[in-house]
Amino acid sequence: DTAVSQTPKYLVTQMGNDKSIKCEQNLGHDTMYWYKQDSKKFLKIMFSYNNKELIINETVPNRFSPKSPDKAHLNLHINSLELGDSAVYFCASSQDLQGVTDTQYFGPGTRLTVL
Amino acid sequence: AQKVTQAQTEISVVEKEDVTLDCVYETRDTTYYLFWYKQPPSGELVFLIRRNSFDEQNEISGRYSWNFQKSTSSFNFTITASQVVDSAVYFCALSRDMRFGAGTRLTVKP
Repeated sequence: DTAVSQTPKYLVTQMGNDKSIKCEQNLGHDTMYWYKQDSKKFLKIMFSYNNKELIINETVPNRFSPKSPDKAHLNLHINSLELGDSAVYFCASSQDLQGVTDTQYFGPGTRLTVL
Repeated sequence: AQKVTQAQTEISVVEKEDVTLDCVYETRDTTYYLFWYKQPPSGELVFLIRRNSFDEQNEISGRYSWNFQKSTSSFNFTITASQVVDSAVYFCALSRDMRFGAGTRLTVKP
């Protein structure tokens, strides 16, 4: 059983399009995250949701909108895609321990290519 | 603000050599966790270790060992007798906000 899954694995699209990436975790964790990894491998947290509530919202263009329908899902919707959005996007989940982040388990990543 | 510095961008060693990956962190929290993750060429992020800020004991797991020193705000990772399969990018990270370092790319040559 996959602990954290993401779909799709690869996404190729044209500039200006809107796309979504889905994430699901079956670990029973309370907190989920989205990260962006650029071509230089730099990993940056974008959003964090705890029990469907937004906790961390880093400086990310408002074209990016996370949506958490329930505790096990955190989807990432991107409007008006730009070339600079090309990256690998990772979803992760963890069980918060008294407000301190526990071990995060990552999904396999979604490689987004904007042409 | 929290910050993680991995000053070594790339390291290249020959198989069976020992190698240490450095991680220096900054935080004002008294309770925090430090992590190491491995990202092999296949791209997934693999959890290696979590260390609580109150536990300064060194940890050993097979060929891997970690040295946590609060006095120098460091959490270094040593691979003993490196193998080709250890080739990957290694990330150090710090909670609460899960700040990742820039990563160290380790290449182990046969």
